[in-house]
Amino acid sequence: DTGVSQDPRHKITKRGQNVTFRCDPISEHNRLYWYRQTLGQGPEFLTYFQNEAQLEKSRLLSDRFSAERPKGSFSTLEIQRTEQGDSAMYLCASSPEGTSPEQFFGPGTRLTVL
Amino acid sequence: AQSVTQLDSQVPVFEEAPVELRCNYSSSVSVYLFWYVQYPNQGLQLLLKYLSGSTLVKGINGFEAEFNKSQTSFHLRKPSVHISDTAEYFCAVSEAIQGAQKLVFGQGTRLTINP
Repeated sequence: DTGVSQDPRHKITKRGQNVTFRCDPISEHNRLYWYRQTLGQGPEFLTYFQNEAQLEKSRLLSDRFSAERPKGSFSTLEIQRTEQGDSAMYLCASSPEGTSPEQFFGPGTRLTVL
Repeated sequence: AQSVTQLDSQVPVFEEAPVELRCNYSSSVSVYLFWYVQYPNQGLQLLLKYLSGSTLVKGINGFEAEFNKSQTSFHLRKPSVHISDTAEYFCAVSEAIQGAQKLVFGQGTRLTINP
């Protein structure tokens, strides 16, 4: 399967712990996006990379959140000092360079903060 | 900023009945529009997209949607639903960001098919 993959699929952590999620985009896609989806809501944009450059960050991305894409391939999203309000599905998407706005989504990482 | 309103949070229908899921968006400028489907504990799968051209767009699994610029709507339809169509459906509009487009989603419509 050459789609977008995310790891882990599920993460349970205690409040105050740090967590890190990984996203592997479709191999030829240079654009990578992170979204957050809370229960009963649609996904909300968090951040965007073009190759290794982080070009856009939402105001939703507090100082406790950091995302990287060091070699322009996979990306990591780290949440420090997790809070219960961070419980959500974290979705990664990728798209190729060009004018088409279509994005291809991974299966998501479901985070539960106890 | 763009916004999307999905007018129904839940839609129950009987199997083999037609269904329409409603979506309105805020922008009056040219936009790209999408419908995604999400099955339980899974990511989003693209059903169909409107980029330009014909206002009637056909997608996978027998779904279609009609782009109506004057009413800023993009309603999703299927003439005959199956049990397997039970899922959450999201309407989305694109919004320009630096060098790309981000997606702005509605709150979703839960489609439940009853036998």
